[in-house]
Amino acid sequence: NAGVTQTPKFRVLKTGQSMTLLCAQDMNHEYMYWYRQDPGMGLRLIHYSVGEGTTAKGEVPDGYNVSRLKKQNFLLGLESAAPSQTSVYFCASSYLTVGLSEQYFGPGTRLTVT
Amino acid sequence: GENVEQHPSTLSVQEGDSAVIKCTYSDSASNYFPWYKQELGKRPQLIIDIRSNVGEKKDQRIAVTLNKTAKHFSLHITETQPEDSAVYFCAASKQGGGADGLTFGKGTHLIIQP
Repeated sequence: NAGVTQTPKFRVLKTGQSMTLLCAQDMNHEYMYWYRQDPGMGLRLIHYSVGEGTTAKGEVPDGYNVSRLKKQNFLLGLESAAPSQTSVYFCASSYLTVGLSEQYFGPGTRLTVT
Repeated sequence: GENVEQHPSTLSVQEGDSAVIKCTYSDSASNYFPWYKQELGKRPQLIIDIRSNVGEKKDQRIAVTLNKTAKHFSLHITETQPEDSAVYFCAASKQGGGADGLTFGKGTHLIIQP
């Protein structure tokens, strides 16, 4: 049981390049989330998904797209990377059931855009 | 949307003393309040959470209190130990299980002085 995994762990992009971050969970969780963490800012929600085939915008969705084609995977895409997207990205997942609501976080992806 | 304020941003206490971190939230519909601990370079991990139908919850040296009327909640750590040194984040959600994602405070860097 690997929990929540993220690929890649580190990445350096040039401005304008595109990339996809992959999040995978093996806990059969319905809900999945993408957050970004910047120094002094805490974690901020980018997008989330309440089930396969569904996605919704969070607090800071601009410049990102997401897809949830399979229940266990949640992809975060950057179509044209900007230096402002330099951050640590965390994926999380949780159960649908109230009372089993802990969000389990992945190890993070450190992205630098130059 | 929800806004979570967290204080202090840095807290230094002597080993063995107690530490208190306070958060306020803006949306009276929020009903789920978790606390996460994050060590340097690691993922956030849930240490305790509380729902709006409960005023206090305790787990060994850690306790959380919630005042719904004043819209604030606090983390209390007693008999602090060196391994308690980390950044602590409070968060709030309206969907009980955090289904719509969590709104985080900006974090408190807790330093335990030997």
